[in-house]
Amino acid sequence: AQSVTQPDIHITVSEGASLELRCNYSYGATPYLFWYVQSPGQGLQLLLKYFSGDTLVQGIKGFEAEFKRSQSSFNLRKPSVHWSDAAEYFCAVGALDYGQNFVFGPGTRLSVLP
Amino acid sequence: EAGVTQFPSHSVIEKGQTVTLRCDPISGHDNLYWYRRVMGKEIKFLLHFVKESKQDESGMPNNRFLAERTGGTYSTLKVQPAELEDSGVYFCASSQVGLQYEQYFGPGTRLTVT
Repeated sequence: AQSVTQPDIHITVSEGASLELRCNYSYGATPYLFWYVQSPGQGLQLLLKYFSGDTLVQGIKGFEAEFKRSQSSFNLRKPSVHWSDAAEYFCAVGALDYGQNFVFGPGTRLSVLP
Repeated sequence: EAGVTQFPSHSVIEKGQTVTLRCDPISGHDNLYWYRRVMGKEIKFLLHFVKESKQDESGMPNNRFLAERTGGTYSTLKVQPAELEDSGVYFCASSQVGLQYEQYFGPGTRLTVT
């Protein structure tokens, strides 16, 4: 069965610092990979996605993620965090043989110190 | 263009009562999905409508949950009778046909069963 792990439940960084959120997945083939963010009171918003091609993917709000097949990872990065980035981040996997649905990781809550 | 809306935003009910959650998808989106996140766990898929038809309901936990999408527009998710373990956040998402991974999520309904 597919699974997604996000090892860090809660991360705190200072504003302006760099950020990396980890995501590992378990799946037999190359899945479709996604990062979503949920700010307080808001729905899940898609940050970026990887389907194929260049393994470094650029997203909205200055985020990027790198697909590493050998490590089954899809880590999310941002070079300089803003206070407005404080939110919960979800990694998700989708795959053709799983139909049209996502398998989500448990989420990482990001706090940003001024 | 309005996004996916969900009503109510919060609901507190007693064990054994009935609750109905509503989701209004983005206009023109034939695909509608329900997910839920119980406390501290992953967001899990519940079911998928294409227009008014249930395409996949493999994630529905038991027969206390009933989802409908009459007329292929808004959808309701009824929990009857509610149990303590039903507490969590229920998300709705929608997408256009053929763009199953371009799902737009609503803000969720937080359900608390006491």
